[in-house]
Amino acid sequence: QQQVKQSPQSLIVQKGGISIINCAYENTAFDYFPWYQQFPGKGPALLIAIRPDVSEKKEGRFTISFNKSAKQFSLHIMDSQPGDSATYFCAASDRGSTLGRLYFGRGTQLTVWP
Amino acid sequence: GAGVSQSPRYKVTKRGQDVALRCDPISGHVSLYWYRQALGQGPEFLTYFNYEAQQDKSGLPNDRFSAERPEGSISTLTIQRTEQRDSAMYRCASSSASRGVNEQYFGPGTRLTVT
Repeated sequence: QQQVKQSPQSLIVQKGGISIINCAYENTAFDYFPWYQQFPGKGPALLIAIRPDVSEKKEGRFTISFNKSAKQFSLHIMDSQPGDSATYFCAASDRGSTLGRLYFGRGTQLTVWP
Repeated sequence: GAGVSQSPRYKVTKRGQDVALRCDPISGHVSLYWYRQALGQGPEFLTYFNYEAQQDKSGLPNDRFSAERPEGSISTLTIQRTEQRDSAMYRCASSSASRGVNEQYFGPGTRLTVT
């Protein structure tokens, strides 16, 4: 059973547009929610993460929005650029945020057209 | 500084052979994780260590899979009597577990092909 459900599977956005990727979870014990970016042939790279005590976190063009009551979180990429074209994974963990396994979504393949 | 390194990067083996995959974590990182990633999927947890102690091995598919980290640094994932279904990308990640957050940094992976 997929612990973290991610959508859409693929996303095409024009340069300068906003990319939005959504994730949902059921386990209320989850308390750490990172997003990873993966380019072809590379390992996943930590992009941005949030804990459930805040509803939004912004780093540059990347923003995580978190809705604890709905058990959903999303990644927003503002002013999307062709260099953002990659696969994005949401994830969650439940071991007090300090350690333990990450449960990953299936990934979203983002293509940004110039 | 150097990131997580894994070796070999590619391994082709015949069905029934044993393979050992190596992970060298970021220096000073106390936690080390093994994941398996199928094409087009997210990483799937296998096992993890804090220092040399294996904390959780619930993701290991069966008893042909084992892992060790004897000195709390380098780790080896061993697959005995490999089968074709073991073919996948095997990824290692490490974390300092500092600042109270589970920031895991991934290596480039080992692509295992069982023929």
